[in-house]
Amino acid sequence: ILNVEQSPQSLHVQEGDSTNFTCSFPSSNFYALHWYRWETAKSPEALFVMTLNGDEKKKGRISATLNTKEGYSYLYIKGSQPEDSATYLCAFIGIKAAGNKLTFGGGTRVLVKP
Amino acid sequence: GAVVSQHPSWVICKSGTSVKIECRSLDFQATTMFWYRQFPKQSLMLMATSNEGSKATYEQGVEKDKFLINHASLTLSTLTVTSAHPEDSSFYICSARGLAGGVGIGNIQYFGAGTRLSVL
Repeated sequence: ILNVEQSPQSLHVQEGDSTNFTCSFPSSNFYALHWYRWETAKSPEALFVMTLNGDEKKKGRISATLNTKEGYSYLYIKGSQPEDSATYLCAFIGIKAAGNKLTFGGGTRVLVKP
Repeated sequence: GAVVSQHPSWVICKSGTSVKIECRSLDFQATTMFWYRQFPKQSLMLMATSNEGSKATYEQGVEKDKFLINHASLTLSTLTVTSAHPEDSSFYICSARGLAGGVGIGNIQYFGAGTRLSVL
């Protein structure tokens, strides 16, 4: 059983502040890591696909880094806005994963207060 | 972007009845579709993977006779919860992948909005 963990489970952020949270995954047999953003009552939406150690990806005010050797990824939100409120999921793909299936973490629920 | 439609969004049924959930890719052909289940405060757990025209591959511990999956076309997969019982009450969500895998964006899964099933 693959262990993909996200911390913290939830966090409250004041509008305008920056924040970050973590996804940890098995460092062996790494193939890819996905980040998804999931707003309530909507479909999860892919943010990033990360494949190489040291990868840094950016989309607007959201960015992510990847360390495959130590098995973690950070997601950063700069200058948080209320519309950033969502659950952020990371999902790990191992090199031996049949069908490249995703193993999800439990998510970090972000609430941005105006 | 790629859109996946899932219906119904919520359903309440009596114990012993069967419930069908549909997952459609609206603007792309989904060679592979995935069905997940989520219990409260837990992560998305993969139930099964289906490829168009072939039998679904179920994850360990998932009863294939209980959760029937059909992927008859490149745009539609269905999950039927047969003889549903209260313990089947959960959140079910599907996703679709267009390309045949590989590293990078080819592995992105496009999700439906999920179905909340309540079995009385």
